[in-house]
Amino acid sequence: GENVEQHPSTLSVQEGDSAVIKCTYSDSASNYFPWYKQELGKRPQLIIDIRSNVGEKKDQRIAVTLNKTAKHFSLHITETQPEDSAVYFCAATLYNTDKLIFGTGTRLQVFP
Amino acid sequence: GAVVSQHPSRVICKSGTSVKIECRSLDFQATTMFWYRQFPKKSLMLMATSNEGSKATYEQGVEKDKFLINHASLTLSTLTVTSAHPEDSSFYICSAPGESSGNTIYFGEGSWLTVV
Repeated sequence: GENVEQHPSTLSVQEGDSAVIKCTYSDSASNYFPWYKQELGKRPQLIIDIRSNVGEKKDQRIAVTLNKTAKHFSLHITETQPEDSAVYFCAATLYNTDKLIFGTGTRLQVFP
Repeated sequence: GAVVSQHPSRVICKSGTSVKIECRSLDFQATTMFWYRQFPKKSLMLMATSNEGSKATYEQGVEKDKFLINHASLTLSTLTVTSAHPEDSSFYICSAPGESSGNTIYFGEGSWLTVV
């Protein structure tokens, strides 16, 4: 089955700097890759997603890149702000299902 | 947008008892729903796929007799933790794909279960 690895597990940056979180997946049939932000005790919030027919997608300060050949995708946050501090999860959907397999998570801390 | 509601948000039960968690799609039909478990500071782990009108599909290592799933209608799936033990204490969260194409997935608010 699908396996998603995520790095780093923790990331500390200064406000205004960029943050990059990377994920790799194992199943080449996966075709949908969302990124979620989760605050303690809350449901995951979708922040950006990318489908396998696209290599890059950007939404204001957030961007995601996908390399299908290498089976990895990355989240890029520019001009980080303290309110970006949270746990971020990548995920991959098995082909033709809506079954999300999550990465292990990255705790991002943005220091003022 | 589509809403998935989960109830209760928090529940405390005694060891050995059973507790039921409900997941409802409020304004759309969901033939499939998914149940996840999340331990503190850990990731969301898929437990099972709930299928309307048929048996749930459990992930490897998840005890189907302990985590009973019922999906009796197109808008409701329930997860019952039977004979609960303290190690079952966790955050349980459901999700459902939207009716339109495009993989939009909606999450419930989650349920904190504490077994004492």
